[in-house]
Amino acid sequence: QVQLQESGPGLVKPSETLSLTCTVSGASISNYYWSWVRQPPGKGLEWIGFVYHSGITNYNASLQSRVTISVDTSKNHFSLRLTSMTAADAAIYYCARVWKGRASYFLDYWGQGALVTVSS
Amino acid sequence: SYVVTQAPSVSVAPGQTAKITCGGDNIGSDNVHWYQQKPGQAPVLVIYYDSDRPAGIPERFSGSNSGDTATLTISRVEAGDEGDYYCQVWDFNGDTFVFGTGTRVTVL
Repeated sequence: QVQLQESGPGLVKPSETLSLTCTVSGASISNYYWSWVRQPPGKGLEWIGFVYHSGITNYNASLQSRVTISVDTSKNHFSLRLTSMTAADAAIYYCARVWKGRASYFLDYWGQGALVTVSS
Repeated sequence: SYVVTQAPSVSVAPGQTAKITCGGDNIGSDNVHWYQQKPGQAPVLVIYYDSDRPAGIPERFSGSNSGDTATLTISRVEAGDEGDYYCQVWDFNGDTFVFGTGTRVTVL
């Protein structure tokens, strides 16, 4: 059974950098694309980006200048780095597996989410 | 960028049928996927490729997609179906996931 678990600090100061890790079990990280999605409190889902084990990445254009997603195959985990955090970045951050199929992509397994607060 | 719209809310009595729509320009030519998010929980995939169900999703959940509207149908609605439902497409032009705005389903 595929399971994903986010980890990282729940509190980040304004202007600082958010770092989260998603540890994958039940699947090899080398065989799939992996994604981050966030959800501000009381709001909808926003896709952040995805990564492939080869290092290929694709980011939401609105976040591209501040985001880096990387993968560590030896640890079977992938990571999110978001710089210059502001109150607008406060959200639940989810990691998810990407199913890249015929003519479309979707997210078939999700982590439970990590709540990130931005405050000094 | 591609935009998909959903009605903010749908209310339905137990045992009745709920229809949740996702609108977009010629969305029928895209593949639409649906997620259920119960309060305080992560989203769960309930329909992919317009009408396929993942293992473990009840047959009461079905999907269709044609023209400018994709529809998620929940038959014989139960109290446990309450939550937010999001449609999603992959925008090949922008190389990006696009989520709908979400529909809150309330079981009366």
